[in-house]
Formats: sequence, C-alpha cells, structure tokens
Amino acid sequence: NAGVTQTPKFQVLKTGQSMTLQCAQDMNHNSMYWYRQDPGMGLRLIYYSASEGTTDKGEVPNGYNVSRLNKREFSLRLESAAPSQTSVYFCASSEGWEDEQFFGPGTRLTVL
Amino acid sequence: DAKTTQPTSMDCAEGRAANLPCNHSTISGNEYVYWYRQIHSQGPQYIIHGLKNNETNEMASLIITEDRKSSTLILPHATLRDTAVYYCIVRVGGGATNKLIFGTGTLLAVQP
Repeated sequence: NAGVTQTPKFQVLKTGQSMTLQCAQDMNHNSMYWYRQDPGMGLRLIYYSASEGTTDKGEVPNGYNVSRLNKREFSLRLESAAPSQTSVYFCASSEGWEDEQFFGPGTRLTVL
Repeated sequence: DAKTTQPTSMDCAEGRAANLPCNHSTISGNEYVYWYRQIHSQGPQYIIHGLKNNETNEMASLIITEDRKSSTLILPHATLRDTAVYYCIVRVGGGATNKLIFGTGTLLAVQP
C-alpha cells in the first residue's frame, strides 16, 4: 500500500496563477483532509471531507476550493495564487471521522 | 476546542525515557487527548490517544491525570529517530465538527 500520495512534491507559481494539488489514498478511508503548514507553526486545516460527496471548510479556507472526486481522491485548487499561500500542504485521510489520520509527504508550494 | 500548552523544546539522552508534558486545563469531559509527531519535513504521524485511562501501544504510553487537566507522553527508550516535533491535541469525540487543532508542539531532541 502506498498510503497517502500527493502530487506534485514541489511547485513554484507566479501570483495570479492557478493550480490543483492532487491527493489520493489507497486505504479505503472515508474521511480526507487538507492542511497547510507555515514555517515554525503547526498545521492548520483548510478543508475536509468527512465522507465521499461532502466537503466542509476548516480554519483557513479562503482562497481555496476542494473536490472530493471519489472515495480515493481529494484535490485542492488555488484559483489565483497569492504569496500568502506559500506553504507546505499536507493531505491526510482517516477511516472514520474520529480515527487516526494518515498523512501524505506534503507539497511545497512557493508563490512569487 | 480546548487549547493545549507544551514546552517549546526538550532534550533527552538516547536510550532513556522521554517524558513530554502537556497541559489542557480547559478540557471537557468528551474531549480526547491525541499525540502526533512530525519528523523534519515529513507529514505528521499518529502516536496514541486516550480519554480518561492511561494507554499504551508499541510506540508510547499516555498518562492522563485523574482531573484530565494534563497528560504525559512517554517514549520508553528514545532513539535518535525519535527526534521530532510532538503535538498534543485535544478533540471532541463524535460529530462532524470535531477536528484536530495543531499547536506549535514540543521539539524533542534525542542526544547520542
């Protein structure tokens, strides 16, 4: 099992550009999450999907959109990237809402 | 959500027990204590969680005080690979509103 995979691993964007971060899990988990981590800080929840077909905002959703494409995949889209969105983005999944979360390796995004 | 307070950093000698404290004085009766760790540049990794009773698994032990206002994560025989940031998190059990709220954690440095 690959667990949680994220693509790309690194990305550099110019202000105003758009992109989609991809996340997939092969553990048949119901819940999936997107976090961002800024230097020296803990993770902050952007969006989550408690189950297939549902998505909800987390702590810092502004500037982002998500799509739960199917049970395996949960993508994060930046429509118009801003320098404040420079961060490391982590995707996670869990079997159920209260279960332990498994994290992907992260995507390091720089917005110039 | 209840907040947690952890020391910014701690040192531990290799082979000795590492005891990481966490204060959560405003914890509610239905809030669980979770511990995750993050090794440099990687996604966080689940360690253990508990509600009232002490818990032990293959990675660590979790000691929760009787009044539940504080807890201690114990790594019984720390190795260099245990050097990481350790996050103590409280979350409400049940329902779609419970989420992990990461603080800044404790940087544990295991010294040879």
